[in-house]
Amino acid sequence: NAGVTQTPKFQVLKTGQSMTLQCAQDMNHNSMYWYRQDPGMGLRLIYYSASEGTTDKGEVPNGYNVSRLNKREFSLRLESAAPSQTSVYFCASRPGQASNKQFFGPGTRLTVL
Amino acid sequence: GESVGLHLPTLSVQEGDNSIINCAYSNSASDYFIWYKQESGKGPQFIIDIRSNMDKRQGQRVTVLLNKTVKHLSLQIAATQPGDSAVYFCAEKNNNNDMRFGAGTRLTVKP
Repeated sequence: NAGVTQTPKFQVLKTGQSMTLQCAQDMNHNSMYWYRQDPGMGLRLIYYSASEGTTDKGEVPNGYNVSRLNKREFSLRLESAAPSQTSVYFCASRPGQASNKQFFGPGTRLTVL
Repeated sequence: GESVGLHLPTLSVQEGDNSIINCAYSNSASDYFIWYKQESGKGPQFIIDIRSNMDKRQGQRVTVLLNKTVKHLSLQIAATQPGDSAVYFCAEKNNNNDMRFGAGTRLTVKP
């Protein structure tokens, strides 16, 4: 199993550009998450999907949208990137209600100029 | 212990010594906690978890201690190795069933 995969690994955008971060998991997990990690801070939840077909806002959803394309894939979209969105983005998945353990992808390092 | 800010707390230990990393959590109603390890340029990796009905849980070379009275969590690593060098952070399950993550402690193992 590859676990949780993310693409791209690195991305540089100009202010106002848009892009989509891709995430996929092959563990048949029900729940998926998008976090951002900024220097010296803990992971902050952007959006999550408790199950296929549902999405909910997390702690810092402004400026982002998500799509749970199917059970495997959960994408994060920046419609108009801003320098404040420069961060490392992590996708995670969780089996479901029976387990609180989250499995993380390798991250996408995004810089917005 | 962990704190939010630009500079992570750091812990430097000699190879072979035991390491103790501390974490203070905020929600007295939290009933589940996890420790993660994050190596440079990688995603967080699960180490060990503990439920609030336990005070101690042991894994391979790692032990987590939970003190609910003072809302404190610690991770003990026995016989620390260079490969243990990483950022370690705790997470607590909050009221919404989401996990709240600490900023982390950077562990450096000196050979």
